[in-house]
Amino acid sequence: GESVGLHLPTLSVQEGDNSIINCAYSNSASDYFIWYKQESGKGPQFIIDIRSNMDKRQGQRVTVLLNKTVKHLSLQIAATQPGDSAVYFCAETGITSGTYKYIFGTGTRLKVLA
Amino acid sequence: EPEVTQTPSHQVTQMGQEVILRCVPISNHLYFYWYRQILGQKVEFLVSFYNNEISEKSEIFDDQFSVERPDGSNFTLKIRSTKLEDSAMYFCASSRGGGGNIQYFGAGTRLSVL
Repeated sequence: GESVGLHLPTLSVQEGDNSIINCAYSNSASDYFIWYKQESGKGPQFIIDIRSNMDKRQGQRVTVLLNKTVKHLSLQIAATQPGDSAVYFCAETGITSGTYKYIFGTGTRLKVLA
Repeated sequence: EPEVTQTPSHQVTQMGQEVILRCVPISNHLYFYWYRQILGQKVEFLVSFYNNEISEKSEIFDDQFSVERPDGSNFTLKIRSTKLEDSAMYFCASSRGGGGNIQYFGAGTRLSVL
């Protein structure tokens, strides 16, 4: 079936280091990808998005990379801070296929070590 | 910053009872969504709503579920006869446009069916 999956359920990084969170997707029709952050007791918070006509997009301290050849998405967080500790989800959708629903991955828990 | 608000934060109900989960989407948004997250599992799409009608729904969204926009600000999810397996966190989201627009999520309502 079509799904979005994450390679690592938990990622621990030292404060100040860079974090890389990975995501694999299987639906080749997906053309819009989003990263969300979810802190305990809160809803998913938008971080950054990317469309399939791009392979890289940068935000403030975050970069998303998209490799359509291998259907892989990654989120890079520079200089990871304690406030970055959360669960990170990738989500996919297909703009050109006319769907509005997001398909979420399992999530990766990021732990920032002091 | 505008945000999606959901009430109540926690709803406890007996099996077989009806529940209504309430959401106030961001004011200038036109598309509305419900997702749910069973504890420890992925966020799953339930339904999308635009122009006062359902635009897309998942297999989960059966006849026990309904959505309504009773006025210009609220968006509700009703479960007619709750089952134990309906216990989950329910998230409301809204977006300015359809596909390719960022969906902003509320903090969620935790539904506990006893």
